[in-house]
Amino acid sequence: NAGVMQNPRHLVRRRGQEARLRCSPMKGHSHVYWYRQLPEEGLKFMVYLQKENIIDESGMPKERFSAEFPKEGPSILRIQQVVRGDSAAYFCASSPPERRNEQFFGPGTRLTVL
Amino acid sequence: RKEVEQDPGPFNVPEGATVAFNCTYSNSASQSFFWYRQDCRKEPKLLMSVYSSGNEDGRFTAQLNRASQYISLLIRDSKLSDSATYLCVVNKNGGFKTIFGAGTRLFVKA
Repeated sequence: NAGVMQNPRHLVRRRGQEARLRCSPMKGHSHVYWYRQLPEEGLKFMVYLQKENIIDESGMPKERFSAEFPKEGPSILRIQQVVRGDSAAYFCASSPPERRNEQFFGPGTRLTVL
Repeated sequence: RKEVEQDPGPFNVPEGATVAFNCTYSNSASQSFFWYRQDCRKEPKLLMSVYSSGNEDGRFTAQLNRASQYISLLIRDSKLSDSATYLCVVNKNGGFKTIFGAGTRLFVKA
């Protein structure tokens, strides 16, 4: 059973470009969470999704950030018009429906904005 | 005040030492508690859940005090491989809205 997969592992963008981060949850997991980790800081919750639904996006910045988890395919975290402050590690986690407390993390995508 | 607070450390201990990490949380409605471990530039990995009765997994013991809103992790007989950042995690509302502490860094030296 493959773990949570994220790609790309490293992403470099120039200011003003768009960044798309992808996450494929573990098989059988229907819940996906996105977190951001700035250097030397803890993980900050961004958004919680189930298939085709955003359940809680209270941690998402109001502008430029969006997330989806379509019926088919991976979950996508999209950052439009990136700025240097968006540089961080973005982790995706998934959990099974019967044990939502247990989150399994992907290896993360390290975004660098030049 | 942060929702989950941890001593950032670092804790520098020799092999074989016993080390304890503390964590406090501010929301009394919190329902689930965990310790995660994160190695440098890697993803967090679940170390253990924390139950009210306290629980042990090998060299690791976790305790929860709901009245004081306090969680602890004890590592006995430290190994070099225990060097990592330990994250205190609090969860409410049945699954989402997970709050991570900033982590306590541990260095175990030979």
